[in-house]
Amino acid sequence: QQQVKQSPQSLIVQKGGIPIINCAYENTAFDYFPWYQQFPGKGPALLIAIRPDVSEKKEGRFTISFNKSAKQFSLHIMDSQPGDSATYFCAASIGNTDKLIFGTGTRLQVFP
Amino acid sequence: ETGVTQTPRHLVMGMTNKKSLKCEQHLGHNAMYWYKQSAKKPLELMFVYNFKEQTENNSVPSRFSPECPNSSHLFLHLHTLQPEDSALYLCASSDPKGSGNEQFFGPGTRLTVL
Repeated sequence: QQQVKQSPQSLIVQKGGIPIINCAYENTAFDYFPWYQQFPGKGPALLIAIRPDVSEKKEGRFTISFNKSAKQFSLHIMDSQPGDSATYFCAASIGNTDKLIFGTGTRLQVFP
Repeated sequence: ETGVTQTPRHLVMGMTNKKSLKCEQHLGHNAMYWYKQSAKKPLELMFVYNFKEQTENNSVPSRFSPECPNSSHLFLHLHTLQPEDSALYLCASSDPKGSGNEQFFGPGTRLTVL
C-alpha cells in the first residue's frame, strides 16, 4: 500500500512532442505528490508538485494532472526539448513527513 | 548546484574494506537523508536524521552505519559490504518547518563493491 507505481519505464519522443508519464498509488492518506527530474551525474531535483485539492497544476511547460478518485497522477511536458532528456521520478508523501515514496523512474529521451 | 555536496563522487572498494561517505549541506536545513539508488528500482530511503537525531532506519543492514555530528554534516560508514551494495548513494536535506517536503539532493557517490 506504500508503493507508487510509475510507467512507462522509458519514453522516446521527437522535439515538440508531449510525453506523458503516469503514476498510481493506493494509500489514500498521501497528500503531497512531487515530480523530480534527474540528469546524468546529478541528484534528483524537484520539478513540480501538487496537493489533492486541485486537479491540475502548470509550471511553464510542465503540467501535473491529478485524478483523486482514480488515485492517479501524471506529468505532461509540452513542446518537449532535447534538454528535457532526463529521468523523471514521481513520489508521494503524507503531510510534512520526512518519508517520500518514489516511483521507479522514467527515462525520457527527446530527439531533435 | 543544490547546496548539498557529497564526497567522494566515485568509490571502489573490496568486500573487506572500511570506507566512509560524506555529505555536507549549506542550506541551513535540519533534516538529512541517505538514499540508495539502483537501476530500475525506486529510490530507497535508508536513514533520516532530524536535528541530529536518527528518526528513521529503513531496515538497513548493520554493515551501513550512519553518523550525524551536526545539522550540516552526514556520514555513511561502510564495512564488509557485498557486491549487491553497489549503487549510487544519494544524500538529501530538507527544512521540516518549510511548506511541503522538498528535498534537495547531492550529486551522489557511485559505489562499486568488488
